[in-house]
Amino acid sequence: AQKITQTQPGMFVQEKEAVTLDCTYDTSDPSYGLFWYKQPSSGEMIFLIYQGSYDQQNATEGRYSLNFQKARKSANLVISASQLGDSAMYFCAMREGLEGYQKVTFGIGTKLQVIP
Amino acid sequence: GAVVSQHPSWVICKSGTSVKIECRSLDFQATTMFWYRQFPKQSLMLMATSNEGSKATYEQGVEKDKFLINHASLTLSTLTVTSAHPEDSSFYICSARDVRGTRDEQYFGPGTRLTVT
Repeated sequence: AQKITQTQPGMFVQEKEAVTLDCTYDTSDPSYGLFWYKQPSSGEMIFLIYQGSYDQQNATEGRYSLNFQKARKSANLVISASQLGDSAMYFCAMREGLEGYQKVTFGIGTKLQVIP
Repeated sequence: GAVVSQHPSWVICKSGTSVKIECRSLDFQATTMFWYRQFPKQSLMLMATSNEGSKATYEQGVEKDKFLINHASLTLSTLTVTSAHPEDSSFYICSARDVRGTRDEQYFGPGTRLTVT
């Protein structure tokens, strides 16, 4: 089974509008962390936001917020007030376990295009 | 955030030659670094976990003898693609784990685009 599922291969959003990028995950480990990364055409992976499995509140970082629904195993990224520079690939990722060897598993990504 | 560099940023080599890619954590010591490869329009696939002072842990299906990893210091890990072939052409990205203080974050390098002709 896929650990991280991103069902939207591509999304369009009007500039200044909000957009939600979907991510669902699968794990039996009670301790895990969820990440969102942005990858522009240059290729670098830019960390956006992190949500721990035990965090009570949804994570927010500026225009980015993570809609964490633990029971549904979803961790959707919400980008408010989209900007042209937000056009990029967005990857959801998960790290399982708190101790010892950890690796991060990535979803296949969603390509976001912001329309002026 | 922390800074991780990769060198070179892009490389073209002939089939059969070896290529070394460096990954450095510039402002923190990283006992653990990760190597990923990314094919066009696909996600990052973990190749191996590089541990300072010990052997790397390779993911299933990754050839250890083809992708040599050396984590010789707390700030440097290298990936050597030996006897490269065109199918090895890909985008290789490293990341370094930052566990200073209460942190436990993973910072990515800018990537290395390898083209094998």
